[in-house]
Amino acid sequence: ETGVTQSPTHLIKTRGQQVTLRCSSQSGHNTVSWYQQALGQGPQFIFQYYREEENGRGNFPPRFSGLQFPNYSSELNVNALELDDSALYLCASSLPEGAYNEQFFGPGTRLTVL
Amino acid sequence: GESVGLHLPTLSVQEGDNSIINCAYSNSASDYFIWYKQESGKGPQFIIDIRSNMDKRQGQRVTVLLNKTVKHLSLQIAATQPGDSAVYFCAEPNNAGNMLTFGGGTRLMVKP
Repeated sequence: ETGVTQSPTHLIKTRGQQVTLRCSSQSGHNTVSWYQQALGQGPQFIFQYYREEENGRGNFPPRFSGLQFPNYSSELNVNALELDDSALYLCASSLPEGAYNEQFFGPGTRLTVL
Repeated sequence: GESVGLHLPTLSVQEGDNSIINCAYSNSASDYFIWYKQESGKGPQFIIDIRSNMDKRQGQRVTVLLNKTVKHLSLQIAATQPGDSAVYFCAEPNNAGNMLTFGGGTRLMVKP
């Protein structure tokens, strides 16, 4: 098990609502990345946060936003939920120094939009 | 652009047999690849990686082979065990190292 934790584990929302997902990074890791994993597919990169600022973004609309706090924990916010937002949302923490560093994934939050 | 994909969505093997999971990539400049294992209800877990200056890398019961000529990599699992049942992804970081691109995944099912 990695030291990355996510909450909640499951969530059900209705279309048009807003949701906030939370992630605590592994001890010592100052970088957090978020991924969306639709059923039966590989994870897709949403964005990464480093030193409380966005450090790269995938092909997701602005209604997907995030925050990183001084303790390196992070939130993913999704506004105006759509049915296609139903997915497993994964958080991964890492150290950014140098070239690519191993990303340690949490167990994910399963979001269902009805 | 970068893309990582997999040949087979499901692989069923007998316990004790060897498993081979394949992955194709399109960017000939890609220089680093990672295999992840994702068990039900868990996030992806790092298994093994390989850089493009290598053709083969071995871990504990796992071997990754890289064929740059045909832009193909494979994950070989020796003496497959029930605990190996999971979805396996190949993944590739971008040049900035801040984003992973995953393939669609192969589900490995181990029959007792």
